[in-house]
Amino acid sequence: GENVEQHPSTLSVQEGDSAVIKCTYSDSASNYFPWYKQELGKGPQLIIDIRSNVGEKKDQRIAVTLNKTAKHFSLHITETQPEDSAVYFCAAPVSSASKIIFGSGTRLSIRP
Amino acid sequence: DTAVSQTPKYLVTQMGNDKSIKCEQNLGHDTMYWYKQDSKKFLKIMFSYNNKELIINETVPNRFSPKSPDKAHLNLHINSLELGDSAVYFCASSQVRTGELFFGEGSRLTVL
Repeated sequence: GENVEQHPSTLSVQEGDSAVIKCTYSDSASNYFPWYKQELGKGPQLIIDIRSNVGEKKDQRIAVTLNKTAKHFSLHITETQPEDSAVYFCAAPVSSASKIIFGSGTRLSIRP
Repeated sequence: DTAVSQTPKYLVTQMGNDKSIKCEQNLGHDTMYWYKQDSKKFLKIMFSYNNKELIINETVPNRFSPKSPDKAHLNLHINSLELGDSAVYFCASSQVRTGELFFGEGSRLTVL
C-alpha cells in the first residue's frame, strides 16, 4: 500500500544549529506535502506545506524542499530555538483514497 | 475560540466497558476524521466523514463506531474496550479531503 517514510526518528541539535528531517513517499500522484508540529499534550499543527509545482518554500526559519523525481521532501529548520523542541510529522495524500497519511514522526530536541 | 474541541481529555476505564468521545468543530469544514496515536507516536487514520457520510473506514474493529449527527460533530463510541485500545485519539477536520487538517487536543484513553 501507499506509505510515507520519515527519518530520523529522533534528532538532537545544539541551539542555534540547523535541523533537517527527511521523508519519502510512494504515491507518484501525490501533489501536496504538509509538515505538522506536535507539542507535548497537544494535537499536531500545520507549520508549512508545499505543492508539487514548486521545489522549495520558506517561511522565516523553516523551509521545505521537494524532489518529485526522487519522491523526497525535507523540512529544514535554521537557527533552532528551544521552542522548536517537538515531534514533527511529514504527510502526503493518497490520491486514490482521498486521505492523508503521516510519517512515523521525528522527536526533535534542542540542547541549550 | 476553540476550532476543534473534543471531550473528554482523559478517560480511564476497565476492560470490557463501553465509552464515547465527542468532537465538535466550528470551522465550517465539510470533512471530519478520527486518528489514533499510539505510544510510539504513530498517527493512523481510523475514519473520515464528509457531510455526515462515512468515506473512509481503515479496517478498524467493528467495536469502534463513529457517528456524525451533523457536519460539525463526529463522535466515537467504543464497545468492549481492550487493553490495546489505550492510545490518544485525535479528532480533526478539513475543508477539502486532502487539505490542511485541524486537530483537536486529543483524548487520552487508558484501559486497565
